[in-house]
Amino acid sequence: NAGVTQTPKFRILKIGQSMTLQCTQDMNHNYMYWYRQDPGMGLKLIYYSVGAGITDKGEVPNGYNVSRSTTEDFPLRLELAAPSQTSVYFCASSAKGVHSSGNTIYFGEGSWLTVV
Amino acid sequence: AQSVTQLGSHVSVSEGALVLLRCNYSSSVPPYLFWYVQYPNQGLQLLLKYTTGATLVKGINGFEAEFKKSETSFHLTKPSAHMSDAAEYFCAVSDSPNNAGNMLTFGGGTRLMVKP
Repeated sequence: NAGVTQTPKFRILKIGQSMTLQCTQDMNHNYMYWYRQDPGMGLKLIYYSVGAGITDKGEVPNGYNVSRSTTEDFPLRLELAAPSQTSVYFCASSAKGVHSSGNTIYFGEGSWLTVV
Repeated sequence: AQSVTQLGSHVSVSEGALVLLRCNYSSSVPPYLFWYVQYPNQGLQLLLKYTTGATLVKGINGFEAEFKKSETSFHLTKPSAHMSDAAEYFCAVSDSPNNAGNMLTFGGGTRLMVKP
C-alpha cells in the first residue's frame, strides 16, 4: 500500500539550478498539496490542486510551479533555486477538502532539499 | 487571517505522566482544528480533528483535545505518556468551510520528549 510517494528523498542543488520534485499517489485522491517545512516552523502550503488540470497558489508560491496532468501525479518545479528554498518538502493528498467530514490528508515522507 | 500558536517548542515528560501540549488559534470565523504528529523522517499523520459538534475530540493513540471557544484553545492531552509518543506535534487551523484553498495554517510545532 504505497500511499503518497515522493522522490527524491535528498537533493543538493546549486543556486540557479532547476529541479522537479515528483509526487504520486495511488489512492485516486482528487486533492493534492505541496507544503514546505522550515526548521522550527510549521508547514506552509505552496500549491494545491483539487483535480486533474486544476491548480492554485497557496501561502508561499513564489519560486515554484506545479502541474496536474493526471489524478496520480503532482510534480513541483523549482526553476531558479535560491538558498531560501532550502527546506523539507511534503506532498500530500486527500479524497475531499480539509473540512469534509471524515476526510484525512495523507502525507509523503518528505524531500530534503539544500540549495548552496 | 488565521494563525496558530503552540506554546513551548519542546516539552519533556516522564513515562506515565500526563501529556499537555498547548495550542491557541486566532480565527475570524468558527474554526476547524487539527492535531498532527510527525515521527522522525516521516510525513505528518492526523491525530484528531474538530469540525463541529462535541468539543471534546478523541483521537488515535489515546490522545484527545478539547475545543474551548472562549479561550480560543485546542490543547492536546494524553493521561499517560509512552516512550513511543516521542515525536513532533503540530496544531493546525482552517477557518472556513467555503475555503476553496483548503488551506491549513500550522503552528510551529512542539517536540515531545518522553523520559524513562
